[in-house]
Amino acid sequence: AQSVAQPEDQVNVAEGNPLTVKCTYSVSGNPYLFWYVQYPNRGLQFLLKYITGDNLVKGSYGFEAEFNKSQTSFHLKKPSALVSDSALYFCAVRVLSTSGTYKYIFGTGTRLKVLA
Amino acid sequence: DAGITQSPRHKVTETGTPVTLRCHQTENHRYMYWYRQDPGHGLRLIHYSYGVKDTDKGEVSDGYSVSRSKTEDFLLTLESATSSQTSVYFCAISESGEFEAFFGQGTRLTVV
Repeated sequence: AQSVAQPEDQVNVAEGNPLTVKCTYSVSGNPYLFWYVQYPNRGLQFLLKYITGDNLVKGSYGFEAEFNKSQTSFHLKKPSALVSDSALYFCAVRVLSTSGTYKYIFGTGTRLKVLA
Repeated sequence: DAGITQSPRHKVTETGTPVTLRCHQTENHRYMYWYRQDPGHGLRLIHYSYGVKDTDKGEVSDGYSVSRSKTEDFLLTLESATSSQTSVYFCAISESGEFEAFFGQGTRLTVV
């Protein structure tokens, strides 16, 4: 089955330290991968995506993600965390359904808490 | 946010009653999706549409139906609401599978 996993329910990091939020995937074919962020009582906001090309993808708010095909991972990173980065983060993968159409499968989310 | 409007934003309904949630887009995107968000489960796909009158099931489609009679509107109906359908429902749109999806603000549904 095609899926995406976020192994950590919560990640705590001190402000100014680097952060990593983990994501692994299982899909057939070339993966299209996405990261989203959700602030309280809001919808999901797109951060970045990997379609093809460089394994290091840069996105909004200073976030980046590293695609690793051999480890089937797409970890979200930021060199220096801010308290305002505290939010819920979702990894997603695009999959091709049996009807030949596209849908997005999401992980269970990782709550990032940046401590001042 | 992209041009996506969900209505209502909040609703409380009784068990056994029908409920319809509306998603309206102004982006003319082909794909529209309905997800539900529950603690510990993340976002789970209910149904999606890839064109007018073209829909397909997601992973948690039981108890839900959808309709798309116009490009801009995608309706989610709970035929007979149950307490297990208490959740936050999100609509998303995408131009194609090549692009990211954009999300609405969500509808908080409580079934009592």
